[in-house]
Parts: sequence; C-alpha cells; structure tokens
Amino acid sequence: AQSVTQLGSHVSVSEGALVLLRCNYSSSVPPYLFWYVQYPNQGLQLLLKYTSAATLVKGINGFEAEFKKSETSFHLTKPSAHMSDAAEYFCAVNHGGSQGNLIFGKGTKLSVKP
Amino acid sequence: DSGVTQTPKHLITATGQRVTLRCSPRSGDLSVYWYQQSLDQGLQFLIQYYNGEERAKGNILERFSAQQFPDLHSELNLSSLELGDSALYFCASSVDQGTYEQYFGPGTRLTVT
Repeated sequence: AQSVTQLGSHVSVSEGALVLLRCNYSSSVPPYLFWYVQYPNQGLQLLLKYTSAATLVKGINGFEAEFKKSETSFHLTKPSAHMSDAAEYFCAVNHGGSQGNLIFGKGTKLSVKP
Repeated sequence: DSGVTQTPKHLITATGQRVTLRCSPRSGDLSVYWYQQSLDQGLQFLIQYYNGEERAKGNILERFSAQQFPDLHSELNLSSLELGDSALYFCASSVDQGTYEQYFGPGTRLTVT
C-alpha cells in the first residue's frame, strides 16, 4: 500500500534562505508523486508532479523537487524563500491503477521570517 | 482559481441533521474526488466518481453518500451529523481516472454544533 511521510510538521526559515521540505514515500508500484500548497482558508494548489519522465521536477513559484528512488524521497526545495511562501505544504502519492485517489502526508507548515 | 467550484463555502448545522455539499468540476474533467480535512485525521480520501459512476471508496462513513450527475457535477450528502464530522470538505477533479493531477476546489467548511 502507498503511504507518504513528511518529516517536520513545522519548518521556519528566514526570507532569502533555502527552503527544504522533506517527503518520503512507500509504494509497491512506480509512484506518481505530487506536492500541493494550501494557503490559509484556501483549497490546495498543485505545485508540481512527478511522473517518471524526469527525476528533477520544476513547479510553480520557483519550487522544484527531486525524485530519488534509492532514498524513496521526493523533497521539495526553493533556493530563496519569500514571505509569500508561508503556507502549508502537502506531499501526496497517487493510489495507483485506475482509481487515482491521492494519499496525503500530514503536511508541513512553512513560516518565513523577515 | 482552479476552475473547481464548491458551494456553500460555510455551513453550520446541528447534530443529527443532514446537509448536501455541491461540487462542479473543471470544464472537461470527468473524475471527481471528495476529501475530508480535519485537524486530527489530516486529508483523507472519501470517494471518487468517474463519468457518473462510483469508482473508489476510501474512509467514507455509511452516513455519507455521494453521486455524480449527467452534467458531471457532484454532491456529497452527510446525514445524522455528529460533532466529529466538523471539517473542511474538498472536491477535486481530474481529466480522467488514474494518475492525472487533481485540481481542488476552495472547500466547504462544515461546523456541526
């Protein structure tokens, strides 16, 4: 069965610093992995998606994630944090097969200090 | 704006009542998914419909049901409501079933008093 673990429920960085949000997955089949962002009182917005075409995936707002099969990881990074990046970030794995429902991690809340 | 709409945005109701949440998917999307987000359980998949047919069930209670209509909009019905049903309910849509990315609506915040 597929599962996702996000390390760190809260991460705090200074503006301009590197953002690193960790995600490890467990999947019995080649995974399809996603990162979503949720701003306060809003729905989830897709940041990026891994589909096995390339191990380094670029998303919106300057975020990218690298798929590492040997480490079963899909960490999200951004070179320089902006205040507007403060939000909750969710890693998700697709259930697989024809169903397609997402299995989410517990989320990481990112705070950006001025 | 994802293109997925949900109504109402907020809903306050009493225990034992029944409510209906509505979702309109993005134009052209055939799959609709319902998720529940709560502080203790996180984001949990409830149920999926594809082109009018139920495709998958997750952690959906028997008191909850859903359907997808011919125009592809979907409704989630919650009955015999309990305090613990208070949560954010999200609808998401994708172009097809399977591994396609899902686009989420803004959610309906349900408060059961």
